[in-house]
Amino acid sequence: GAGVSQSPSNKVTEKGKDVELRCDPISGHTALYWYRQSLGQGLEFLIYFQGNSAPDKSGLPSDRFSAERTGGSVSTLTIQRTQQEDSAVYLCASSLTSLAGAYNEQFFGPGTRLTVL
Amino acid sequence: KNEVEQSPQNLTAQEGEFITINCSYSVGISALHWLQQHPGGGIVSLFMLSSGKKKHGRLIATINIQEKHSSLHITASHPRDSAVYICAGRNAGGTSYGKLTFGQGTILTVHP
Repeated sequence: GAGVSQSPSNKVTEKGKDVELRCDPISGHTALYWYRQSLGQGLEFLIYFQGNSAPDKSGLPSDRFSAERTGGSVSTLTIQRTQQEDSAVYLCASSLTSLAGAYNEQFFGPGTRLTVL
Repeated sequence: KNEVEQSPQNLTAQEGEFITINCSYSVGISALHWLQQHPGGGIVSLFMLSSGKKKHGRLIATINIQEKHSSLHITASHPRDSAVYICAGRNAGGTSYGKLTFGQGTILTVHP
């Protein structure tokens, strides 16, 4: 079956522009996570959705970052007024549920490589 | 704050060697993912485990929940195993249930 997909795969933008990154989770997965992997850095959590709600936004670096999820499926991560330090690979993952139990293994998308010039 | 510590940061081996990567984690983490990332590639989930041991091919993952420690073993290593291996702890509760906290990663290089 189809895995987690992300688009675009690569995005080059100029400093100050807004960008939108899209994540299509595995069909039926109610939990969706955004992570970021900066060059030479580890992975860090950004935001998590259970359904259309975001119980934890604690990882968003600034108010320039926002995310939404509609219909319990597709999610969009928006970065306004991009800065060079926003350059990173943005990863999305989904799981069947975020709740206790065996069905919360996370499956990762291929990522969007964002370069801010 | 949940923490995940991974060691070693770099590991070099000869083909055929047995490899172990270690991960320690803090209270508040209920399960561990082991992830693999090849150079320039995406992240693949190898295992998720909350107790005991799992095996897939030449890969074995164990977890000791009392000691809050997990290990990833690779038997009969091969150059194609060269990748970054990352352990990630899954948050146990609260509003962040399921959120992952990542270790620093182990860069494994297996020479022929």
